[in-house]
Amino acid sequence: GAGVSQSPSNKVTEKGKDVELRCDPISGHTALYWYRQSLGQGLEFLIYFQGNSAPDKSGLPSDRFSAERTGGSVSTLTIQRTQQEDSAVYLCASSLLIMEGTGGNTIYFGEGSWLTVV
Amino acid sequence: AQKVTQAQTEISVVEKEDVTLDCVYETRDTTYYLFWYKQPPSGELVFLIRRNSFDEQNEISGRYSWNFQKSTSSFNFTITASQVVDSAVYFCAKASGSARQLTFGSGTQLTVLP
Repeated sequence: GAGVSQSPSNKVTEKGKDVELRCDPISGHTALYWYRQSLGQGLEFLIYFQGNSAPDKSGLPSDRFSAERTGGSVSTLTIQRTQQEDSAVYLCASSLLIMEGTGGNTIYFGEGSWLTVV
Repeated sequence: AQKVTQAQTEISVVEKEDVTLDCVYETRDTTYYLFWYKQPPSGELVFLIRRNSFDEQNEISGRYSWNFQKSTSSFNFTITASQVVDSAVYFCAKASGSARQLTFGSGTQLTVLP
């Protein structure tokens, strides 16, 4: 498809298990973002990838969260030893190359992966 | 942190009414970008508009219009002749010069009643 694709759409997991969430960005977009949306915290930035540069991990809430992006395209967000407070919608987004002073770039979001930890 | 504030948590209007969603932001940046996104019940964040800090021209797109006032750090969004399909959560967001990271407001739930 033409948009950002995420899988799974919904995931229910038991507390303590690991989960992997996948994101397939828009073709040609070199920047990829993960955001989290939860009732109490709104929309929070998690991590950002741009080309071959080191990712900006400043938004990851704990060391149980990690993400990788293979081949500059697909990304996987991994949550280890899930906790109930990890329950949220995890949104992936992508955009064209970010360049200072060029007017920014529009960031396009996927439909999200709804994670429920029971 | 440079906040984005959407003071209206919920708004209800009757179809065909005009409605304005408020957005106020904080910034220390000279160059920044402002966005509005719509989130329908399906959950996807749908891009509506991006505005650069150096362009204060207001914009109109069909029934949608945006009023950017740098002097008051506001970027308000008006829907004219609202329709039931406009019902959604609307988020205002800001990014710094490199537009790397979006800071979102808490969103406004708009309900348009038939």
